[in-house]
Amino acid sequence: EIVMTQSPATLSVSPGERATLSCRASQSVGTSLAWYQQKPGQAPRLLIHGASTRATGFPARFSGGGSGTEFTLTISSLQSEDFAVYYCQQYSIWPRTFGQGTKVEVK
Amino acid sequence: EVQLVESGGGLVQPGESLRLSCAASGFTFTDYWMSWVRQAPGKGLEWVANIKQDESEKNYVDSMKGRFTISRDNAKNSLYLQMNSLRVEDTAIYYCVRGGWCPDYWGQGTLVSVSS
Repeated sequence: EIVMTQSPATLSVSPGERATLSCRASQSVGTSLAWYQQKPGQAPRLLIHGASTRATGFPARFSGGGSGTEFTLTISSLQSEDFAVYYCQQYSIWPRTFGQGTKVEVK
Repeated sequence: EVQLVESGGGLVQPGESLRLSCAASGFTFTDYWMSWVRQAPGKGLEWVANIKQDESEKNYVDSMKGRFTISRDNAKNSLYLQMNSLRVEDTAIYYCVRGGWCPDYWGQGTLVSVSS
């Protein structure tokens, strides 16, 4: 099983600032990496797939990068609606596995 | 509009069974793998199982293999999860999701609580 490790667990950021979230895989997943956004009381939403392709409905301030074992999600200028928990997930092999999540909170 | 609506959750005792259902609409159900993903209260996400369009392939996470069975009825645009021998640690919101790799649509989930 591929273990996905996200850091930091919590990121405190002021609105308008840049946020960078990290995700590391225990073995290479190529670019079979997705990011999800989850707000309280809601289901997760697919944000990024293929490591860097933004899903429908998300603005360009969200960007994903990386390949192999190291990945990043960058939010260039945080808006109030971006404060949420973000999960990475590998879909290279079964079982699909998620990171433990990074909570982006207001500083 | 794609919709996935789960039902069947509830409170059960350890060792009991439960069957979850998911009604899909707004897309061609037979074009997609489907999956179940769960989330324990206040915790992260965990994949449960996925199923190919024609049911010819099914995959389960090891901890659920032999206890859970995923199935679908393409005529009814429905996905199911039969859960037997439930354990306290199976307590979670169970999400029906479209896709077998990186799901692009998620239902709102149904809560399964296992407690004595």
